[in-house]
Amino acid sequence: AQKVTQAQTEISVVEKEDVTLDCVYETRDTTYYLFWYKQPPSGELVFLIRRNSFDEQNEISGRYSWNFQKSTSSFNFTITASQVVDSAVYFCALSEVTDKLIFGTGTRLQVFP
Amino acid sequence: DTGVSQDPRHKITKRGQNVTFRCDPISEHNRLYWYRQTLGQGPEFLTYFQNEAQLEKSRLLSDRFSAERPKGSFSTLEIQRTEQGDSAMYLCASSTWDRAAPSNTEAFFGQGTRLTVV
Repeated sequence: AQKVTQAQTEISVVEKEDVTLDCVYETRDTTYYLFWYKQPPSGELVFLIRRNSFDEQNEISGRYSWNFQKSTSSFNFTITASQVVDSAVYFCALSEVTDKLIFGTGTRLQVFP
Repeated sequence: DTGVSQDPRHKITKRGQNVTFRCDPISEHNRLYWYRQTLGQGPEFLTYFQNEAQLEKSRLLSDRFSAERPKGSFSTLEIQRTEQGDSAMYLCASSTWDRAAPSNTEAFFGQGTRLTVV
């Protein structure tokens, strides 16, 4: 069965703090893809990153970084020096052969000035 | 605007009425997906199309729900005899899929249609 768990329901930080959003996934497939999406108050899901199961290299994009560890089935997302504009709900998602996305329940991040 | 667009953005309907939503995907995308998102939850997959063919339907999609993509471009999602439990955000997404190089490209989402059944 496929499942994505985001155990942190809500996180609050003060601007400039670093914050890590956790994501744990379950799948029986050896080929799969992991995603992170951001959902601001406007409601639109904004794509952040896609990672395939054969590429465990960590990735950094500006203030964002992702840590993929197959050994622990985790794909965590870190925002460095958070900003108020980072406030949103963040979703981790998994897709397998059929490429439909299985989403976690999301983590609401609030960044206070 | 070249993104995924959905219409209407908001819909309030009385229980028992039928509603129809429209999704216009990114023009070169051959895959189109429908998801449903309730408050405090992540989006849940409903169905998807490759061109005009509906390839998969979730068990969440009861007989009251029907989706079409008649010419492989825009899609409609109809809910018949709406119930209060149908109240949710309905999200549409599109992506490209190439048989020669199958890999799950990222799906781009529209802003959704928020349905309220009263």
